[in-house]
Amino acid sequence: GQQVMQIPQYQHVQEGEDFTTYCNSSTTLSNIQWYKQRPGGHPVFLIQLVKSGEVKKQKRLTFQFGEAKKNSSLHITATQTTDVGTYFCAVASGGSYIPTFGRGTSLIVHP
Amino acid sequence: DAGITQSPRHKVTETGTPVTLRCHQTENHRYMYWYRQDPGHGLRLIHYSYGVKDTDKGEVSDGYSVSRSKTEDFLLTLESATSSQTSVYFCAISEQPSYEQYFGPGTRLTVT
Repeated sequence: GQQVMQIPQYQHVQEGEDFTTYCNSSTTLSNIQWYKQRPGGHPVFLIQLVKSGEVKKQKRLTFQFGEAKKNSSLHITATQTTDVGTYFCAVASGGSYIPTFGRGTSLIVHP
Repeated sequence: DAGITQSPRHKVTETGTPVTLRCHQTENHRYMYWYRQDPGHGLRLIHYSYGVKDTDKGEVSDGYSVSRSKTEDFLLTLESATSSQTSVYFCAISEQPSYEQYFGPGTRLTVT
């Protein structure tokens, strides 16, 4: 199946610091989705990127799709304790439209 | 939240016993998925369905079977549960495979 690497696995930050997680693939992607899972909860869809070089913003969250459509990033500005959770990317390529999830990045925010 | 329920929400069972988990949706979405989530492994696809009686294997399908006799229900069966199948199981739905997925609340399964 589609291989996707998500880094880092864990990230500790002080409240107010920025946070970035990366999702990398060796093949060209047709699209990428980002999800957030709060501790004890279920994954919740955040956004989907489709176009090369696409940048989308949701309040303090910025999502970017690489020019070659092989990588993506999620950046959170000035983290808050409500940002705590695990962030997953899910990728699909031309061979199969069934997305493959990365292993996730767990964000821990210290007040 | 999308109308997805999973039952049971928690289950403890013994090695070798059969277990069936149920996912029910009220959204009439065509695609349904079963994932397992284990620490350090993220979400791994077990099986998925693209219509009534239409199913296919995912990344970790060994030891699992599925059935979908109605649009709204997707069943996951462990024919003979093993301790390695202790996990949290999530069901998800989507209108199309490239569309966003909506997840159920999950089922925590412990096999002793």
